[in-house]
Amino acid sequence: GENVEQHPSTLSVQEGDSAVIKCTYSDSASNYFPWYKQELGKRPQLIIDIRSNVGEKKDQRIAVTLNKTAKHFSLHITETQPEDSAVYFCAAPKYNNNDMRFGAGTRLTVKP
Amino acid sequence: KAGVTQTPRYLIKTRGQQVTLSCSPISGHRSVSWYQQTPGQGLQFLFEYFSETQRNKGNFPGRFSGRQFSNSRSEMNVSTLELGDSALYLCASSPSPGTGTYSGNTIYFGEGSWLTVV
Repeated sequence: GENVEQHPSTLSVQEGDSAVIKCTYSDSASNYFPWYKQELGKRPQLIIDIRSNVGEKKDQRIAVTLNKTAKHFSLHITETQPEDSAVYFCAAPKYNNNDMRFGAGTRLTVKP
Repeated sequence: KAGVTQTPRYLIKTRGQQVTLSCSPISGHRSVSWYQQTPGQGLQFLFEYFSETQRNKGNFPGRFSGRQFSNSRSEMNVSTLELGDSALYLCASSPSPGTGTYSGNTIYFGEGSWLTVV
């Protein structure tokens, strides 16, 4: 199958703490892994992505790590801020097109 | 550059009716995909179009259909609406379809069309 499992479903942290969201995928041929942030009532927006030729990618307070052997990838947010509060989705493509299979989402709450 | 534009943003339909939703991709993007988002099922892939051809279809009944025009704009149609079709329908565009096995390209979402079936 091509399921993407995402954990945890909810995550609450104090402002300034780090947050980690993990996803696993089933198809070893997948080689592109984006993360989307969706604020309430708004569209999902790409925040970072990684391809399988690298193990880690950083963009300021956000990083994504990929372990192809274990078939899992993680989103790391450091120094969290209240505006980081949103639902985060991981995804992986199914075939050689843009058929993205999304995780169920993680609702992150950053408490001031 | 303008983002992905979807119309209408909100609509209410009655069971049994049909609905057509429209999507204009980012200028220069030729791949358009559609997703259904519901609280219970999350983000579910409906179908993808490239060069006016449907390249892949998700696990939805035949009541869900779509098409793409020569200018890359796309429409999706749902016939014989059911209460369970109430959802946010998201369109996403990408410069091109993924190439190679399982190597998708970045997709950019529109704001979505909120459909309520009563």
